[in-house]
Amino acid sequence: AQSVTQLDSQVPVFEEAPVELRCNYSSSVSVYLFWYVQYPNQGLQLLLKYLSGSTLVKGINGFEAEFNKSQTSFHLRKPSVHISDTAEYFCAVSDIDNQGGKLIFGQGTELSVKP
Amino acid sequence: KAGVTQTPRYLIKTRGQQVTLSCSPISGHRSVSWYQQTPGQGLQFLFEYFSETQRNKGNFPGRFSGRQFSNSRSEMNVSTLELGDSALYLCASSLGVTFSTDTQYFGPGTRLTVL
Repeated sequence: AQSVTQLDSQVPVFEEAPVELRCNYSSSVSVYLFWYVQYPNQGLQLLLKYLSGSTLVKGINGFEAEFNKSQTSFHLRKPSVHISDTAEYFCAVSDIDNQGGKLIFGQGTELSVKP
Repeated sequence: KAGVTQTPRYLIKTRGQQVTLSCSPISGHRSVSWYQQTPGQGLQFLFEYFSETQRNKGNFPGRFSGRQFSNSRSEMNVSTLELGDSALYLCASSLGVTFSTDTQYFGPGTRLTVL
């Protein structure tokens, strides 16, 4: 079975500062990795995903993530955050044996960007 | 292209009642997944439908059921509601080409409150 751990439940940061949201996963099979963002009272929006190839993945809104197989991590980074980045961020995995549409999510990290 | 739509957006029910939630996927998408989001348990996979067939199911009691119609629209039903069923129910649609790697597009959710 797979599991996802987001190491920080809340991350406060000042505007224009860099940020890293940490995600570790556990799985006995190969996985695909995703980061989603959820703004207040909205559904989830995909930021980026890692399927194969280059371990550095670039997504929307200036976010990027790096897949590290040896450390089973997929940390999300942004070099300079904006107030509008305030939201909840979810890391998720899907395994190669996925029989249909099942994502395993972490508990989420609340990013709070202060002026 | 219109996104995933869910109706109703908000719902208030009392214990013991049943409820039906509806999800219309993005045009051309054949896979619909349902998730329950609560503060305590986070995002949990309920089930997934593809071409009117349930392909995958999470660890929820039999009170939770769903179906998919020939136009890919999906409904989920919860019978004999309990207080713990209060949650945001999210629907996600995807093309259904490769389940492990497909991007899932989420709707805004239905907020169910059980009194």
